[in-house]
Amino acid sequence: ETGVTQTPRHLVMGMTNKKSLKCEQHLGHNAMYWYKQSAKKPLELMFVYNFKEQTENNSVPSRFSPECPNSSHLFLHLHTLQPEDSALYLCASSQGDSVAKNIQYFGAGTRLSVL
Amino acid sequence: AQTVTQSQPEMSVQEAETVTLSCTYDTSESDYYLFWYKQPPSRQMILVIRQEAYKQQNATENRFSVNFQKAAKSFSLKISDSQLGDAAMYFCAYRSYYSGGGADGLTFGKGTHLIIQP
Repeated sequence: ETGVTQTPRHLVMGMTNKKSLKCEQHLGHNAMYWYKQSAKKPLELMFVYNFKEQTENNSVPSRFSPECPNSSHLFLHLHTLQPEDSALYLCASSQGDSVAKNIQYFGAGTRLSVL
Repeated sequence: AQTVTQSQPEMSVQEAETVTLSCTYDTSESDYYLFWYKQPPSRQMILVIRQEAYKQQNATENRFSVNFQKAAKSFSLKISDSQLGDAAMYFCAYRSYYSGGGADGLTFGKGTHLIIQP
């Protein structure tokens, strides 16, 4: 079992749908992250949670709504998305309480297509 | 804000040969971390190597080593004895040393697609 698991692996949704992406980490980490990976662009940090508290929102549109109920789970709720939101969404986790230990471990991502 | 630049969209190397991937970055900070991540077709990002800016010694992990030039803000990755399994996208990333509570996002470059020719 991989340390960071993301579901679903693929998601196709219409612009009026509501869906959620799920991320679960089995590494005992305290910090979790959402990144967006679009073609020909660098990975973009979206949100950071540390000990369940959101510590960073990188100017993400409100149609993306994160939720972190505990240190092991992270969700990204999607509603009224645009076609340009189609991308690979990556989740990562890290120790979170030590700068020296902050190595981020990634899941395999959810490939999202918005029609 | 920090930026990371990878100027080689694609590199090709013969199996068993050595290849070097380039990365430059821009920052006003004196302490930070630099990383190389590998993303194979399975899409999962895998950490290859990490360098602390305050360490002058270049990091090494088996066949992977870096050439860290702090004054030049350069951080290249050398892969020795290239293997077919090394084929992937390689991303250079930066992280500030001073972060809120130990959790801070990474700033990535656009990546270099490495092709291994048998």
